[in-house]
Amino acid sequence: KAGVTQTPRYLIKTRGQQVTLSCSPISGHRSVSWYQQTPGQGLQFLFEYFSETQRNKGNFPGRFSGRQFSNSRSEMNVSTLELGDSALYLCASSPPDRRSDTQYFGPGTRLTVL
Amino acid sequence: DQQVKQNSPSLSVQEGRISILNCDYTNSMFDYFLWYKKYPAEGPTFLISISSIKDKNEDGRFTVFLNKSAKHLSLHIVPSQPGDSAVYFCAASALFSGGYNKLIFGAGTRLAVHP
Repeated sequence: KAGVTQTPRYLIKTRGQQVTLSCSPISGHRSVSWYQQTPGQGLQFLFEYFSETQRNKGNFPGRFSGRQFSNSRSEMNVSTLELGDSALYLCASSPPDRRSDTQYFGPGTRLTVL
Repeated sequence: DQQVKQNSPSLSVQEGRISILNCDYTNSMFDYFLWYKKYPAEGPTFLISISSIKDKNEDGRFTVFLNKSAKHLSLHIVPSQPGDSAVYFCAASALFSGGYNKLIFGAGTRLAVHP
């Protein structure tokens, strides 16, 4: 099976712009989670989507949003970018078990805000 | 509020020796724990996990120990190899009332294994 794919891999934006990141989960996985990784902060949970519905959300401002499509692909959008949004954004998918703890990560999108 | 803590940001170990990575948690609702390994420019990859009903789980060179009373878990790598040099993330999971689980990650420990 192909792994989790994320596009683009690298992105450079300026303050005030918006950005959309894309994630394609492993085939058959219906849960997609998004994380932000910054140095020293580990992986901060953004949100999770399951069957096109957001079922879990982290403590990020409303500028961060996402959605999931019927084919389980997911997008994450950040509006009005700030310098502090520079980070590695990781997407992870999980098998369709009721209780699935193991998540499979994509390579991430490195976002740089100038 | 950091529910999962990895207090050592880095660890340096000689090849062939044991690497011990530590993780502490605060939420007693966590019932499943995982370790992930991350190389630069790649996403984290699942390494090993342990359920709260166990106190030890082994997979080849990797062993995870869980001490529930101390809310502490550790990852042992024996023997350590240069290819083990990476950032290791500890994660904890709890089943929420909505019937889904949520992973909480620590800040990571950078392991360097030198010859």
